[in-house]
Amino acid sequence: EAAVTQSPRNKVAVTGGKVTLSCNQTNNHNNMYWYRQDTGHGLRLIHYSYGAGSTEKGDIPDGYKASRPSQENFSLILELATPSQTSVYFCASGDARTANSDYTFGSGTRLLVI
Amino acid sequence: GDSVTQTEGLVTLTEGLPVMLNCTYQTIYSNPFLFWYVQHLNESPRLLLKSFTDNKRTEHQGFHATLHKSSSSFHLQKSSAQLSDSALYYCALMGYKLTFGTGTSLLVDP
Repeated sequence: EAAVTQSPRNKVAVTGGKVTLSCNQTNNHNNMYWYRQDTGHGLRLIHYSYGAGSTEKGDIPDGYKASRPSQENFSLILELATPSQTSVYFCASGDARTANSDYTFGSGTRLLVI
Repeated sequence: GDSVTQTEGLVTLTEGLPVMLNCTYQTIYSNPFLFWYVQHLNESPRLLLKSFTDNKRTEHQGFHATLHKSSSSFHLQKSSAQLSDSALYYCALMGYKLTFGTGTSLLVDP
Protein backbone atom coordinates (compact mmCIF):
# COMPACT_ATOMS: atom_id res chain seq x y z
CA GLU A 1 0.00 0.00 0.00
CA ALA A 2 1.15 3.52 -0.77
CA ALA A 3 2.77 5.18 2.18
CA VAL A 4 3.90 8.60 3.32
CA THR A 5 6.26 8.62 6.27
CA GLN A 6 7.14 11.72 8.25
CA SER A 7 9.94 12.16 10.74
CA PRO A 8 10.23 13.07 13.49
CA ARG A 9 6.76 12.51 14.96
CA ASN A 10 7.42 15.05 17.69
CA LYS A 11 10.01 17.79 17.94
CA VAL A 12 10.89 20.44 20.50
CA ALA A 13 13.08 23.22 19.14
CA VAL A 14 14.64 26.34 20.58
CA THR A 15 13.81 29.77 19.18
CA GLY A 16 16.40 30.69 16.56
CA GLY A 17 17.42 27.12 15.94
CA LYS A 18 17.24 25.20 12.69
CA VAL A 19 14.60 22.53 12.22
CA THR A 20 14.27 20.03 9.38
CA LEU A 21 11.12 18.00 8.89
CA SER A 22 11.41 15.03 6.58
CA CYS A 23 8.89 13.26 4.39
CA ASN A 24 9.34 10.07 2.38
CA GLN A 25 6.81 8.53 0.02
CA THR A 26 6.80 5.14 -1.65
CA ASN A 27 3.92 6.00 -4.01
CA ASN A 28 6.08 7.22 -6.89
CA HIS A 29 3.90 10.31 -6.90
CA ASN A 30 5.04 13.44 -8.67
CA ASN A 31 3.39 15.94 -6.34
CA MET A 32 4.29 16.48 -2.72
CA TYR A 33 2.98 19.08 -0.31
CA TRP A 34 3.72 20.51 3.12
CA TYR A 35 0.85 21.89 5.22
CA ARG A 36 0.52 23.19 8.72
CA GLN A 37 -2.63 22.67 10.72
CA ASP A 38 -3.82 25.15 13.31
CA THR A 39 -7.20 25.41 14.97
CA GLY A 40 -9.39 27.86 13.07
CA HIS A 41 -7.13 27.90 10.03
CA GLY A 42 -7.44 24.39 8.70
CA LEU A 43 -4.68 23.04 6.49
CA ARG A 44 -2.55 25.81 5.05
CA LEU A 45 -0.15 25.15 2.20
CA ILE A 46 3.48 26.07 2.88
CA HIS A 47 5.44 24.63 -0.05
CA TYR A 48 4.84 22.04 -2.72
CA SER A 49 6.72 20.24 -5.45
CA TYR A 50 5.93 18.82 -8.87
CA GLY A 51 8.92 16.50 -8.90
CA ALA A 52 12.56 16.06 -8.02
CA GLY A 53 14.42 19.34 -8.04
CA SER A 54 11.30 21.52 -8.02
CA THR A 55 9.83 23.52 -5.18
CA GLU A 56 7.01 26.05 -5.29
CA LYS A 57 5.79 28.54 -2.72
CA GLY A 58 2.40 27.86 -1.27
CA ASP A 59 0.12 30.27 0.53
CA ILE A 60 2.23 30.82 3.67
CA PRO A 61 5.89 30.25 2.69
CA ASP A 62 7.52 32.95 4.84
CA GLY A 63 10.00 31.50 7.32
CA TYR A 64 10.12 28.13 5.55
CA LYS A 65 12.24 26.56 2.86
CA ALA A 66 11.70 23.29 1.04
CA SER A 67 13.92 20.77 -0.68
CA ARG A 68 13.01 17.93 -3.07
CA PRO A 69 16.26 16.07 -3.78
CA SER A 70 14.52 12.98 -5.16
CA GLN A 71 11.10 11.67 -6.17
CA GLU A 72 10.71 10.06 -2.75
CA ASN A 73 11.89 12.79 -0.39
CA PHE A 74 10.59 16.25 0.41
CA SER A 75 11.92 18.24 3.35
CA LEU A 76 10.66 21.35 5.11
CA ILE A 77 13.32 23.55 6.65
CA LEU A 78 12.91 26.20 9.31
CA GLU A 79 16.22 28.10 9.30
CA LEU A 80 15.37 30.28 12.31
CA ALA A 81 12.51 28.72 14.22
CA THR A 82 10.06 31.01 16.02
CA PRO A 83 7.29 30.21 18.54
CA SER A 84 4.68 31.16 15.91
CA GLN A 85 5.81 28.11 13.95
CA THR A 86 4.57 25.81 16.72
CA SER A 87 2.04 23.66 14.91
CA VAL A 88 1.26 20.25 13.47
CA TYR A 89 2.85 19.73 10.06
CA PHE A 90 1.53 17.30 7.47
CA CYS A 91 3.16 16.05 4.32
CA ALA A 92 1.07 14.69 1.45
CA SER A 93 1.78 13.10 -1.90
CA GLY A 94 -0.41 12.52 -4.93
CA ASP A 95 -0.68 12.23 -8.68
CA ALA A 96 -1.83 15.33 -10.44
CA ARG A 97 -5.06 15.40 -12.31
CA THR A 98 -5.88 11.76 -12.85
CA ALA A 99 -9.09 9.90 -12.21
CA ASN A 100 -7.27 8.02 -9.51
CA SER A 101 -6.04 11.17 -7.78
CA ASP A 102 -5.76 10.48 -4.10
CA TYR A 103 -3.56 12.66 -1.97
CA THR A 104 -2.20 10.58 0.89
CA PHE A 105 -1.09 12.17 4.13
CA GLY A 106 1.65 11.25 6.52
CA SER A 107 0.99 10.91 10.24
CA GLY A 108 2.09 14.44 11.00
CA THR A 109 4.88 16.09 12.99
CA ARG A 110 4.08 18.00 16.14
CA LEU A 111 6.54 20.87 16.47
CA LEU A 112 6.90 22.95 19.60
CA VAL A 113 9.20 25.96 19.44
CA ILE A 114 10.14 27.33 22.86
CA GLY B 1 -5.64 32.30 -6.59
CA ASP B 2 -7.53 29.16 -5.71
CA SER B 3 -9.72 29.19 -2.61
CA VAL B 4 -12.17 26.94 -0.79
CA THR B 5 -14.86 28.21 1.54
CA GLN B 6 -16.47 26.14 4.27
CA THR B 7 -18.92 28.40 6.04
CA GLU B 8 -19.60 26.29 9.11
CA GLY B 9 -16.88 25.92 11.67
CA LEU B 10 -18.91 23.61 13.88
CA VAL B 11 -22.00 21.56 13.14
CA THR B 12 -23.75 19.77 16.00
CA LEU B 13 -26.37 17.14 15.21
CA THR B 14 -28.40 14.48 16.92
CA GLU B 15 -27.77 10.93 15.78
CA GLY B 16 -30.08 9.91 12.96
CA LEU B 17 -30.55 13.38 11.53
CA PRO B 18 -29.29 14.30 8.05
CA VAL B 19 -25.90 15.89 7.52
CA MET B 20 -25.04 18.66 5.10
CA LEU B 21 -21.68 20.40 5.11
CA ASN B 22 -21.20 23.25 2.70
CA CYS B 23 -18.30 23.79 0.33
CA THR B 24 -17.83 26.37 -2.38
CA TYR B 25 -14.69 27.10 -4.33
CA GLN B 26 -13.00 29.56 -6.64
CA THR B 27 -10.47 28.72 -9.32
CA ILE B 28 -9.57 29.82 -12.80
CA TYR B 29 -8.78 26.23 -13.68
CA SER B 30 -11.47 24.91 -16.00
CA ASN B 31 -11.44 21.28 -14.80
CA PRO B 32 -10.91 21.23 -11.06
CA PHE B 33 -10.91 18.11 -8.94
CA LEU B 34 -12.87 18.40 -5.68
CA PHE B 35 -12.29 16.26 -2.60
CA TRP B 36 -13.71 15.71 0.85
CA TYR B 37 -11.27 14.57 3.50
CA VAL B 38 -12.14 13.39 7.01
CA GLN B 39 -9.86 13.66 10.02
CA HIS B 40 -10.60 11.90 13.27
CA LEU B 41 -9.00 12.99 16.52
CA ASN B 42 -5.23 12.46 16.59
CA GLU B 43 -5.20 11.05 13.09
CA SER B 44 -4.18 12.40 9.70
CA PRO B 45 -6.69 13.42 7.04
CA ARG B 46 -7.89 10.65 4.77
CA LEU B 47 -9.84 10.79 1.56
CA LEU B 48 -13.60 10.38 1.89
CA LEU B 49 -14.70 11.05 -1.67
CA LYS B 50 -13.69 12.92 -4.80
CA SER B 51 -15.14 14.19 -8.07
CA PHE B 52 -14.14 15.85 -11.28
CA THR B 53 -17.34 15.30 -13.27
CA ASP B 54 -19.94 18.03 -13.38
CA ASN B 55 -23.39 17.13 -12.01
CA LYS B 56 -22.44 13.56 -11.15
CA ARG B 57 -23.18 12.22 -7.65
CA THR B 58 -20.26 10.57 -5.90
CA GLU B 59 -20.82 8.24 -2.94
CA HIS B 60 -18.65 6.56 -0.34
CA GLN B 61 -19.27 5.17 3.13
CA GLY B 62 -22.80 6.56 3.23
CA PHE B 63 -21.72 10.08 2.30
CA HIS B 64 -22.40 11.68 -1.06
CA ALA B 65 -21.59 14.88 -2.89
CA THR B 66 -22.28 16.34 -6.33
CA LEU B 67 -19.93 18.72 -8.09
CA HIS B 68 -21.87 21.66 -9.53
CA LYS B 69 -19.57 23.79 -11.63
CA SER B 70 -22.35 26.31 -12.34
CA SER B 71 -22.46 27.23 -8.67
CA SER B 72 -18.88 26.21 -7.79
CA SER B 73 -20.17 23.95 -5.05
CA PHE B 74 -19.42 20.49 -3.68
CA HIS B 75 -21.57 20.02 -0.57
CA LEU B 76 -21.22 16.86 1.53
CA GLN B 77 -24.38 15.03 2.58
CA LYS B 78 -25.46 11.98 4.50
CA SER B 79 -29.02 10.87 5.15
CA SER B 80 -28.53 9.77 8.76
CA ALA B 81 -25.69 10.83 11.05
CA GLN B 82 -23.91 8.27 13.22
CA LEU B 83 -21.88 8.86 16.38
CA SER B 84 -18.79 7.64 14.54
CA ASP B 85 -19.17 10.45 11.99
CA SER B 86 -17.94 12.94 14.58
CA ALA B 87 -14.76 14.32 13.02
CA LEU B 88 -13.20 17.25 11.19
CA TYR B 89 -14.18 17.46 7.52
CA TYR B 90 -12.16 19.29 4.90
CA CYS B 91 -13.20 20.25 1.41
CA ALA B 92 -10.26 20.51 -0.99
CA LEU B 93 -9.69 21.76 -4.52
CA MET B 94 -7.09 20.58 -6.99
CA GLY B 95 -6.65 23.29 -9.57
CA TYR B 96 -3.01 24.16 -10.05
CA LYS B 97 -2.31 23.04 -6.47
CA LEU B 98 -4.13 21.27 -3.68
CA THR B 99 -5.97 23.85 -1.57
CA PHE B 100 -8.02 23.09 1.53
CA GLY B 101 -10.82 24.94 3.26
CA THR B 102 -10.70 25.78 6.94
CA GLY B 103 -12.63 22.65 7.87
CA THR B 104 -15.95 21.89 9.55
CA SER B 105 -16.07 20.04 12.85
CA LEU B 106 -19.04 17.66 12.95
CA LEU B 107 -20.21 16.60 16.39
CA VAL B 108 -22.94 13.95 16.53
CA ASP B 109 -24.75 13.58 19.85
CA PRO B 110 -26.72 10.52 20.97
